[in-house]
Amino acid sequence: NAGVTQTPKFQVLKTGQSMTLQCAQDMNHNSMYWYRQDPGMGLRLIYYSASEGTTDKGEVPNGYNVSRLNKREFSLRLESAAPSQTSVYFCASSEWYEQYFGPGTRLTVT
Amino acid sequence: DQQVKQNSPSLSVQEGRISILNCDYTNSMFDYFLWYKKYPAEGPTFLISISSIKDKNEDGRFTVFLNKSAKHLSLHIVPSQPGDSAVYFCAAGNTGFQKLVFGTGTRLLVSP
Repeated sequence: NAGVTQTPKFQVLKTGQSMTLQCAQDMNHNSMYWYRQDPGMGLRLIYYSASEGTTDKGEVPNGYNVSRLNKREFSLRLESAAPSQTSVYFCASSEWYEQYFGPGTRLTVT
Repeated sequence: DQQVKQNSPSLSVQEGRISILNCDYTNSMFDYFLWYKKYPAEGPTFLISISSIKDKNEDGRFTVFLNKSAKHLSLHIVPSQPGDSAVYFCAAGNTGFQKLVFGTGTRLLVSP
């Protein structure tokens, strides 16, 4: 039982490049989330998916797209990376209030 | 507009003493609250929660207190241990919406 897994762990991109962050959970949770963590800003919600086939914007969705591929997987795509997207990205899943987090992806955009 | 605030960025405590971490919220619609602990290079892990129908919840060395009238919650760790050194986030949510709003975190350092 791996919980929530994220790939890659680290990534360096040049401005304008694109990439997809992958997330998978094996807890059969309905809801999944993408957050970013920046110094002094806490965890801010980018997008979430309340169930398979649905996605909604969070607090900071600009510059990102998401896909809920199936119940297990929720990916986050940066179409044209910008230095402001340098951050640590966390995926989480939940069945009710308590969210379970993955280990994070540290992304640097130069 | 920050709906969940942790006004102390850091706290230092000696081993064996009590650690008290504070959190304030502004949205009266929040009806459940959680504390998460985060070590460097790891994801946050759930620690303890409380619903608005209670004013206290205990789990071992960890106790969360909720004061609804003051819109304030606190996490007490007794006794504090060096392994408790981490960043602690409080989070708040509303029944029916599974989104959480997180505070900015408090870094706790417990020294031997």
